[in-house]
Amino acid sequence: DAEITQSPRHKITETGRQVTLACHQTWNHNNMFWYRQDLGHGLRLIHYSYGVQDTNKGEVSDGYSVSRSNTEDLPLTLESAASSQTSVYFCASRGSGSTDTQYFGPGTRLTVL
Amino acid sequence: AQKVTQAQTEISVVEKEDVTLDCVYETRDTTYYLFWYKQPPSGELVFLIRRNSFDEQNEISGRYSWNFQKSTSSFNFTITASQVVDSAVYFCALEGGATNKLIFGTGTLLAVQP
Repeated sequence: DAEITQSPRHKITETGRQVTLACHQTWNHNNMFWYRQDLGHGLRLIHYSYGVQDTNKGEVSDGYSVSRSNTEDLPLTLESAASSQTSVYFCASRGSGSTDTQYFGPGTRLTVL
Repeated sequence: AQKVTQAQTEISVVEKEDVTLDCVYETRDTTYYLFWYKQPPSGELVFLIRRNSFDEQNEISGRYSWNFQKSTSSFNFTITASQVVDSAVYFCALEGGATNKLIFGTGTLLAVQP
C-alpha cells in the first residue's frame, strides 16, 4: 500500500545543532508539505513543494529549509536548532487533482535542549 | 486573508451525548475546500471529510454529520451518541483556490467520559 513515512519519530538535540527530518511518500504525489504543531496554534505551514526542484516558504519558515531532488522525498532541515523549534512536525502529501486531499505522516516529535 | 476559527478549545461530554464542534472560516476565494481531521491520543492525523464551496449539502456518515453554511461561513461537525473512542483533538481546515495549502484552526479537544 502507498504511504507516507517520517523519520525519526522522536529526536532530542541540542541548541545550535543542524537537524534533518525525513519525509518519504510512495503515492507519487507532486505536492508535499511540512507543518509544525504547537499547543494553541494548531498546525502551521513551514515549507511546501509543488514538484521536483520547487520549494516555497510557508507561514513559519524562519530557521528551516527544504530541498526536493525527487518526487518521493522532502527533507526538512533545521540549520541551527533553537529551543523555540521544539515541536511536533508533520509531513503531508497531496495529488494535483482538484478533488485530492492532503494525507499526513505519523509525525516527528523534536526536542531541542 | 484566510483564517479558520475554532472557538471551542475543550469540550467534555458524557458518553451517548450529542456534541457539535464549531468551525468558522474566512476567505475571499470563490472556490475553496473545507476539511475536518481527527487527531486521537496516538497523535496521527486522520482525514474525516472534504467539502467544496459549491456543495452546501449536509453530509452524514454513521454517527458523524457535517453542516456547511456559506451564509454564516461555518462548517460545523456533529457527533451523535458520542463514544469514548471519539475522544481526540479535531481540526477544521481550509484550502483556498488552487494553492493546495491548508490553513488550520487551533483545534478542539473533545473528551468523552464513560
